[in-house]
Amino acid sequence: QVQLQESGPGLVKPSQTLSLTCTVSGDSINNGLYYWSWIRQPAEKGLEWIGRLSSTGTTDYNPSLGGRVSIFVDRSKSQFSLMLTSVTAADTAVYYCAALRGFSFDSWGPGTLVTVSS
Amino acid sequence: FMLTQPRSVSESPGKTVTISCTRSSGSIASSYVQWYQQRPGSSPTTVIYEDNQRSSGVPDRFSGSIDSSSNSASLTITGLKTEDEADYHCMSYGSGNWVFGGGTKLTVL
Repeated sequence: QVQLQESGPGLVKPSQTLSLTCTVSGDSINNGLYYWSWIRQPAEKGLEWIGRLSSTGTTDYNPSLGGRVSIFVDRSKSQFSLMLTSVTAADTAVYYCAALRGFSFDSWGPGTLVTVSS
Repeated sequence: FMLTQPRSVSESPGKTVTISCTRSSGSIASSYVQWYQQRPGSSPTTVIYEDNQRSSGVPDRFSGSIDSSSNSASLTITGLKTEDEADYHCMSYGSGNWVFGGGTKLTVL
């Protein structure tokens, strides 16, 4: 089963850009069975899908994030990354990377807490 | 569309509990429903996928179903154990968007 691990800064200032990376192991990031995804969870709240990246590089994003999101891949490092621009306190959350296979998020990283604060 | 779950449910060990997930618009049958279990401090894990398929290693005490008349999905857990205490999230797809319910906290007491 694929394993995922998030990495990146735990603190981001308001109006700046949040950047996180997910390292994939246990399977190839080029495996066409998977969509590589980001999901977040504010404290004491539910999960929110952010977006996904296919093995061919196509992307889909949650429209509620208003075009602030981009997800891209670095195949040489078996990593995919999230950028979220113009962050506010409302973007404070645990961010998970996950592997979407079929209709289910099969594998999840352990999650990383990102706090937006000055 | 939105998926609405009860915020919390509680039941005694050995009993049966059902958690509902109601779709606000569009048919519940239009896209598969998944259920995830999330213990405190941990990532979610798949319990049910494609409406009623148990994920590998999930005991048969867990079952999923959909009901078109109420436009909802349900997760039923029989023979409750204290280890079942967790948050449960439903999820489905529509209009290019993967949507999660708000999560239900199951307390087994």
